[in-house]
Amino acid sequence: AQKVTQAQTEISVVEKEDVTLDCVYETRDTTYYLFWYKQPPSGELVFLIRRNSFDEQNEISGRYSWNFQKSTSSFNFTITASQVVDSAVYFCALSDGNQGGKLIFGQGTELSVKP
Amino acid sequence: DAGITQSPRHKVTETGTPVTLRCHQTENHRYMYWYRQDPGHGLRLIHYSYGVKDTDKGEVSDGYSVSRSKTEDFLLTLESATSSQTSVYFCAIRDRMNTEAFFGQGTRLTVV
Repeated sequence: AQKVTQAQTEISVVEKEDVTLDCVYETRDTTYYLFWYKQPPSGELVFLIRRNSFDEQNEISGRYSWNFQKSTSSFNFTITASQVVDSAVYFCALSDGNQGGKLIFGQGTELSVKP
Repeated sequence: DAGITQSPRHKVTETGTPVTLRCHQTENHRYMYWYRQDPGHGLRLIHYSYGVKDTDKGEVSDGYSVSRSKTEDFLLTLESATSSQTSVYFCAIRDRMNTEAFFGQGTRLTVV
């Protein structure tokens, strides 16, 4: 069975602080895909990154970085030097390679960045 | 922007009435999804489709049915709406299993 857990329901930081959003997943498949999405206050869902199970390289994109560790089934997201515009709900998602394209999401982490 | 449209965008309906939400895509993507979003629960998968007439249940499928008779349309039906189905509903499309999903703007459904 697939499962995604984002244990942090809400996080509040002050601008310029670094913040890490945790994502732990469960799957029996060896082939799977992980995603992060952002949902700003306006409500739309914005894709941030995709990672497949065969690629454990960490990725950096500007102030954003992602740490994928198969040994701990985690795919954590770090924002460096946070800004007010980073305030949003962030979702982690999992798609197995053998589930007919099923795509499930975690509960989301609401990040509030205060000036 | 991915060509995905949800209709209606807002709806208020009475308990016990049937309701159908439509998701229309112009991208010819294989996979389509319906989610509901409620505070504290994130995005929960209701049903999904991996091809025309090929659908499967998600985590919270009770009280919902779907149909996909054409690649471009994925319909979500609440046979007899209940207040617990008040929610924001999102449709998503995806080309392949290893690609990201694109989401519609959402439909806010209120059951009174």
